This record gives sequence, structure tokens and C-alpha cells, in this order.
Amino acid sequence: DIQMTQSPSSLSASVGDRVTITCQASQSISSYLNWYQQKSGKAPELLIYGASTLQSGVPSRFSGSGSGTDFTLTISSLQPEDFATYYCHQSYYTPYTFGQGTKLEIK
Amino acid sequence: QVQLVQSGAEVKKPGASVKISCKASGYTFTSYYMHWVRQAPGQGLEWMGIINPNGGSTTYAQKFQGRVTMTRDTSTSTVYMDLSSLRSDDTAVYYCARDRRDGYTSFDYWGQGTLVTVSS
Repeated sequence: DIQMTQSPSSLSASVGDRVTITCQASQSISSYLNWYQQKSGKAPELLIYGASTLQSGVPSRFSGSGSGTDFTLTISSLQPEDFATYYCHQSYYTPYTFGQGTKLEIK
Repeated sequence: QVQLVQSGAEVKKPGASVKISCKASGYTFTSYYMHWVRQAPGQGLEWMGIINPNGGSTTYAQKFQGRVTMTRDTSTSTVYMDLSSLRSDDTAVYYCARDRRDGYTSFDYWGQGTLVTVSS
């Protein structure tokens, strides 16, 4: 199975900060990398698919980049509603696998 | 608007089975694959498998092979996930999630989740 490793596991930041979360795959997954946001008690929501394409309705402060094994999710200017847990997800090979999550907390 | 509405919470004893439903609306049911993903309490996301509502073909994660069955009813636009031989570590929230099916597999709509508690 492809292992997805996110870093950091948790992150404290302030409103207005620029934040970057990284995700590394254990083997190349081309651009088959997606990012989700999950708020407490809710289902995940798709932010970015295909490594860099913004899902419809997602604010433009979210962006994704990378290909192969190394990927990045960037939030350009944190808003109060962005404090949540973020997961990367590879959809190149089954079983599809997720990173362990990055919990973004208010500083 | 697209909606996935799942059945309610379940409490099961070890060794029992559970069957969760996911009723889709707001789109053509047979045009989009459906996945099942689970999340143990305080843990991350785990992909279980996929069903093609058009024909019913399935692919399951090896971990669940032999214990999971995914089916669909096109007359009610509903997919089902049946998990047998339940253990305590199957306690989790189970989600259905629609596949975007636009080049890159990703999950664009999710059900609200169904909590399954396995306890003696």
C-alpha cells in the first residue's frame, strides 16, 4: 500500500498567517493527490483535487502544488473558519490511502 | 442539489453484522461511483472500497475482503455497505462519498456519517 506522510501533525497559527502543510507519498503518484478539510464532528470536504485544482466553491486562498511524491497545501491568509484538520489522499492505486492528518489550531 | 443521506447510528455486539445505507439525490445515481470511508474515534480516514452503481461492480480494500459487501438499489438510488464479523476496532463513523469521476478520483460529496459502535 502507498503510505502518505503529512507534516506537521499539528500546527498553531494566527488569523492572517500563511500556512503550508506537506504530504509525501511512499512512491510516485503522479498528480493523483487530493486535499480535504474536516471540522470537528463533520464529514470531510474536498478542497483540491489533482494536486492543484481548486474544487468549485473553495476560496482562492487555498492552493495546492506538487507531483510525484511531494505535495503541498498552502493557505495564503488564514481565516477563522480555516481552523480544522486537513488530510491528503492518494487516488493513484487502490487501496486509496490518506495521510494521518494535520490539525490546524488557533495560536 | 446533491445529497447523500445515511442511515442512523448502530450499536452491535462483537461477531454481528451491520448494514448501512446511503441514499443519493440531486444527480444521476448510476453516473457516479460511490466509495465508503471510515474513521475510528479520534483517528484518520480509511478507504474501504468502491461500488459502481451502474452494474454493481465493486473493489474492496484487501483489509476488508471477505467481511465487506457493497451493493446498490437503482430503484431507490441507494448504496449499502454490509460489514460482518464485527470487532471492537470496527467502532467508527462510516461515510459514503461520491467519486467526482473527472480524471482524478476524489470525493466531492459525502454523507453525514453513520456511527457504528461495537461493544459487548
